[in-house]
Amino acid sequence: EVQLVESGGGLVQPGGSLRLSCAASGFTFSIYAMHWVRQAPGKGLEWVSTFSGSGAGTYYADSVKGRFTISRDNSKNTLYLQMNSLRAEDTALYYCAKDLSGGDHYFDYWGQGTLVTVSS
Amino acid sequence: EIVLTQSPATLSLSPGERATLSCRASQSVSIYLAWYQQKPGQVPRLLMYDASKRATGTPGRFSGSGSGTDFTLTISSLEPEDFALYYCQQRTNWPLTFGGGTKVEIK
Repeated sequence: EVQLVESGGGLVQPGGSLRLSCAASGFTFSIYAMHWVRQAPGKGLEWVSTFSGSGAGTYYADSVKGRFTISRDNSKNTLYLQMNSLRAEDTALYYCAKDLSGGDHYFDYWGQGTLVTVSS
Repeated sequence: EIVLTQSPATLSLSPGERATLSCRASQSVSIYLAWYQQKPGQVPRLLMYDASKRATGTPGRFSGSGSGTDFTLTISSLEPEDFALYYCQQRTNWPLTFGGGTKVEIK
């Protein structure tokens, strides 16, 4: 059974940093692209970042480029999102999502999310 | 950036009725479009991908069609559990983008 468990969210002041983690199990983590998608309270879905399964590249939404860094540790089956220079508009539930295949860039399994609140 | 526009914003229907949801892209995405369902307090669920392929576990009453810039998700006969929010998503170009959503509510 595929499981994705996010952690690391919390309350942080504007300009602060957080590191999110996503522990994956139930599939061969290393061969799948993995994604972060966020949802602000009461709003729609927004793709944040992707780490390709082949290690070919990382991709970011313009809204987070230069501030967020996605990484993965295939030996630990864990995906990360380092978030720096946080802004109020980064407040959201952050989901880790598994790619449908190696690099389809559709999201077939989602974690329950970890809430990030940026406020003074 | 490819903008996805979903319509209508809200669809008010009764159980057993047919639901037709639209997603229009600002430029061609070929067939590379997915649909997700999200119920209150739950995580999104992949329903359809590549415009017309059902994801594992998607009931047969859901169907998807379209290519290029115009796509449709059809629910042939609404079940009580189908009343939810639906999002489309394209994967043709970076950044990956979602539509704003259509809420299917009970009339």
